[in-house]
Amino acid sequence: SQKIEQNSEALNIQEGKTATLTCNYTNYSPAYLQWYRQDPGRGPVFLLLIRENEKEKRKERLKVTFDTTLKQSLFHITASQPADSATYLCARGEAAGNKLTFGGGTRVLVKP
Amino acid sequence: GAGVSQTPSNKVTEKGKYVELRCDPISGHTALYWYRQSLGQGPEFLIYFQGTGAADDSGLPNDRFFAVRPEGSVSTLKIQRTERGDSAVYLCASSSSTGYGPRDTEAFFGQGTRLTVV
Repeated sequence: SQKIEQNSEALNIQEGKTATLTCNYTNYSPAYLQWYRQDPGRGPVFLLLIRENEKEKRKERLKVTFDTTLKQSLFHITASQPADSATYLCARGEAAGNKLTFGGGTRVLVKP
Repeated sequence: GAGVSQTPSNKVTEKGKYVELRCDPISGHTALYWYRQSLGQGPEFLIYFQGTGAADDSGLPNDRFFAVRPEGSVSTLKIQRTERGDSAVYLCASSSSTGYGPRDTEAFFGQGTRLTVV
């Protein structure tokens, strides 16, 4: 089965700095990766999508990369703010089928 | 409403009982998904509907779990003979994916139903 691994340790970061989260996958490259934000007691909220043939995507202060050689995606939050504190989930999607396979998420805590 | 709605938000049941969890997707979304999330883990896929039919039920853990979507909108996840290990947050999501076009459309999640089996 296809797996997605995220660093289970919480990431503590100072306000204004860049937070970098890692998502590693096994076996073949997924057709796409999606990143979601999840706050306590809430469902995940979609943030960004990157496809297999794309190297980098940006949205406001967010940037995601896709490295098929390293089998890795990096998610960056630049100029981090306390409001960015949440759990961030990486999910892989395949060319066939519609389900997402999620990683365990990385909790980010931005300190003022 | 504008988003995915799940009811109830919390459900406590006794071991061995039957429960139903309801999901109202975003209007017009033909794709509907059920996921299960345990504490500290990511969502785990259960089942995917495209319209009224279950296009992929490979994530259902055993035959105690069943889901329906008779009219292609509201879906119900049914769990028979509940066990303590079924305790988790059950998430529903919908998307505009038709199954023919792009499959990478974003999924909109509800806030989940927290099921506790005692």
